[in-house]
Amino acid sequence: GAGVSQSPSNKVTEKGKDVELRCDPISGHTALYWYRQSLGQGLEFLIYFQGNSAPDKSGLPSDRFSAERTGGSVSTLTIQRTQQEDSAVYLCASSLNRDYEQFFGPGTRLTVL
Amino acid sequence: GDSVTQMEGPVTLSEEACLTINCTYTATGYPSLFWYVQYPGEGLQLLLKATKADDKGSNKGFEATYRKETTSFHLEKGSVQVSDSAVYFCALSSNTGKLIFGQGTTLQVKP
Repeated sequence: GAGVSQSPSNKVTEKGKDVELRCDPISGHTALYWYRQSLGQGLEFLIYFQGNSAPDKSGLPSDRFSAERTGGSVSTLTIQRTQQEDSAVYLCASSLNRDYEQFFGPGTRLTVL
Repeated sequence: GDSVTQMEGPVTLSEEACLTINCTYTATGYPSLFWYVQYPGEGLQLLLKATKADDKGSNKGFEATYRKETTSFHLEKGSVQVSDSAVYFCALSSNTGKLIFGQGTTLQVKP
């Protein structure tokens, strides 16, 4: 079956612009996670959605970052007024439920010039 | 807070050599422990896991044992292959389900 998909695969933007990153989880997976992989910080948790519960936003690095998950499926991560330090690979993962294996998408490589 | 520390790389080995990548963790409660692997040009994928103390996870010839007394989850393989060249991440699952990763260890296996 289809795995987790993310789009775009690459995004180059100018400092100060807003960007939207999309994640399509595996169908039927109730849990969805966003992580960031950067050279300086390794792999960091950003935000977690579980069903209709309030998301765990504890990993978002600043208020420029936000995410939503519509209809319990597709999720969008939005970064406003991008900065060069936002350059990283943004990974999305989904799992059947909270304590099940997380399946990762291929990531979106974001470059802020 | 919860954290994971793994040995820094890169690790360079000859084919058929033994591999150990050290991983230790700090956590409240009893987390599940994981090893993820990222092959060149590919996404992150689960290699093995253990959910409670003394459990041994294994896959593709790799093993790791959940040691509560030493808070460790070292990755081992008796005979590595060139195809094992990748970046390996140790991780724990917090009580909210989010993964906390170590910094990653790059393994290069030479023929």
